[in-house]
Amino acid sequence: AQSVTQLGSHVSVSEGALVLLRCNYSSSVPPYLFWYVQYPNQGLQLLLKYTTGATLVKGINGFEAEFKKSETSFHLTKPSAHMSDAAEYFCAVSRGSGGYQKVTFGTGTKLQVIP
Amino acid sequence: NAGVTQTPKFRVLKTGQSMTLLCAQDMNHEYMYWYRQDPGMGLRLIHYSVGEGTTAKGEVPDGYNVSRLKKQNFLLGLESAAPSQTSVYFCASRGQDNSPLHFGNGTRLTVT
Repeated sequence: AQSVTQLGSHVSVSEGALVLLRCNYSSSVPPYLFWYVQYPNQGLQLLLKYTTGATLVKGINGFEAEFKKSETSFHLTKPSAHMSDAAEYFCAVSRGSGGYQKVTFGTGTKLQVIP
Repeated sequence: NAGVTQTPKFRVLKTGQSMTLLCAQDMNHEYMYWYRQDPGMGLRLIHYSVGEGTTAKGEVPDGYNVSRLKKQNFLLGLESAAPSQTSVYFCASRGQDNSPLHFGNGTRLTVT
């Protein structure tokens, strides 16, 4: 079984401040991990993904995430928040092959950026 | 470069009415999915398909049916709509094992 926990349904940061969105996962096998962003009235868009290899993953719009197996975490960070970063962010874990590709999403974190 | 297209974008139904949501993808993806998104609950999988002519149940399949007659299309049907099916519905597709999902822009459905 696999699951994803996102700590904090709402996070507020000041413009220019560090963004940290937390994600912890559980998986019985090595996971594939994703962060998606959803802007109002739109579908989810891929921010970044971890499959294998380097544990620090860089994504679009200056975001990055670090896979920490010992902590079962995949937290999303950005050094300096911009107003355009205001959106909802979803962490997801995927595992499966040869058929059903089960993807489990967290419940999402809404990021508010304060001017 | 359309990606995943969902129609309609909005719909209001009365309890007991039926409707079909259409999802079309132009990326030649094998896997397609229907999710519903409700506040505070993230995305929940309704049904999915691993290829043309195949469908399977996800986490919350009750009250929905699907069909995948053509590889590029995945239809979601509500035979007798209920207020509990008020939600935003997203279609997604992916091409390979554990590759990222590509999402449509959603259908906002209200059942009164």
